[in-house]
Amino acid sequence: EAGVVQSPRYKIIEKKQPVAFWCNPISGHNTLYWYRQNLGQGPELLIRYENEEAVDDSQLPKDRFSAERLKGVDSTLKIQPAELGDSAVYLCASSLDGGLAKNIQYFGAGTRLSVL
Amino acid sequence: AQKITQTQPGMFVQEKEAVTLDCTYDTSDQSYGLFWYKQPSSGEMIFLIYQGSYDEQNATEGRYSLNFQKARKSANLVISASQLGDSAMYFCAMSLNTYGNKLVFGAGTILRVKS
Repeated sequence: EAGVVQSPRYKIIEKKQPVAFWCNPISGHNTLYWYRQNLGQGPELLIRYENEEAVDDSQLPKDRFSAERLKGVDSTLKIQPAELGDSAVYLCASSLDGGLAKNIQYFGAGTRLSVL
Repeated sequence: AQKITQTQPGMFVQEKEAVTLDCTYDTSDQSYGLFWYKQPSSGEMIFLIYQGSYDEQNATEGRYSLNFQKARKSANLVISASQLGDSAMYFCAMSLNTYGNKLVFGAGTILRVKS
């Protein structure tokens, strides 16, 4: 069974440019998460989807970040315009059902973003 | 506030020996889950082990075991018979049922296995 797939693996852009990250979750997983991991820190949740609905986006900087999950499968996270402080690893994760107590989240390999 | 604390920034262990990675947590919730993930240099977060707050037995998964002490709010990871491939960053995380099971992570511990 395929795991969570993310692309691209690496992205280098200049500040003020837009950038987009793509995530394909594990087949059958209803819940999808986007995390940001700064250097030397643990991941922090940006947004959580239950099927197509964003049920927790309280940590998403909405002035420049947007996300969508069309048809409740693939998801895209966008930053426009990017700032120097956005340099980080962006991780996508999926789980069978976010409402379960034992909610195992499976992560992709991440996209490492460098903003110059 | 919900918080995970990992006090060991880095650890060394000799190959084939056991090692314990510390994790303490803070929450007022009664229902929560505790997780350990491994992150090799490749970047992917690999799920290792889960412990529910109501589970009476300590969780075990192969060479991994979780030493759960609820009264002390600790959830230490024990890796037995360390292998060179265990060298990685290890994260402790907590999920809170009242927050839709979102994961809150600690800062991580880097483990280096010596041959």
